[in-house]
Amino acid sequence: AQSVAQPEDQVNVAEGNPLTVKCTYSVSGNPYLFWYVQYPNRGLQFLLKYITGDNLVKGSYGFEAEFNKSQTSFHLKKPSALVSDSALYFCAEYNDMRFGAGTRLTVKP
Amino acid sequence: NAGVTQTPKFQVLKTGQSMTLQCAQDMNHNSMYWYRQDPGMGLRLIYYSASEGTTDKGEVPNGYNVSRLNKREFSLRLESAAPSQTSVYFCASSPYGRDLEQYFGPGTRLTVT
Repeated sequence: AQSVAQPEDQVNVAEGNPLTVKCTYSVSGNPYLFWYVQYPNRGLQFLLKYITGDNLVKGSYGFEAEFNKSQTSFHLKKPSALVSDSALYFCAEYNDMRFGAGTRLTVKP
Repeated sequence: NAGVTQTPKFQVLKTGQSMTLQCAQDMNHNSMYWYRQDPGMGLRLIYYSASEGTTDKGEVPNGYNVSRLNKREFSLRLESAAPSQTSVYFCASSPYGRDLEQYFGPGTRLTVT
C-alpha cells in the first residue's frame, strides 16, 4: 500500500496568492516527513522536514509545512506565491523511503 | 564541491544490452541511494547503501544490481535492459540516519528500445 499520497496532480495559483500543496501519509510509528522541489531537468532539492517538535516547520524560499497527526497530513504552504515557485513538488516519508507521485505547481503572473 | 555527480546524462540502449550508471559524491556521506522516476509514479527506491560495505533492496530492485565501490561511489547495473526500464535515474546521498535530507544528482535519462 502506498504510504505517501499527493492527491492533486496539478495546482494552479495566481502570483501573490497563498498556495497549498497537499500530502497525506500512512505509516506505523512516528513519521519522518520531507518536502522536495524539482525544477526542469534537475535533481530534487530539499525544502523542509518534520521529525519531531513544532507542528509548523519553516524551510527554504519562504515555504512552510504543517504536520497534522490526527489527519496524517503534511501540507506544504506559502503565503504569497511567486512565478519562480513553478516546479514539481514531492512529499516523502523516510520510514518506508517512499515518495509521493508529485504535484506540479504552476504560478501564473 | 561538486555534490552528487552522475554519468552518463543520457543513454539509449537496445533490449538485452547491459550498462552501468555511475554515481559519486564528495560530501563524505555514509548513505547512498538509487531511484527511478516515472511519470505519475514519483520516485521509487531501487537499492540503497546505508553505509560502506552494505547494500539493501528498495521498492523496485528487480532487473538491477548495485555496487558500493567505496564511500564515494555507488553504481547501478542493468544486466539485460528491458523497455520497462526506460526512466530517469537519480542517485542521492545523505549522512547516516532517516531524519536527514538527501542530496540528489542531476539524473540519467535512459531509453531502452
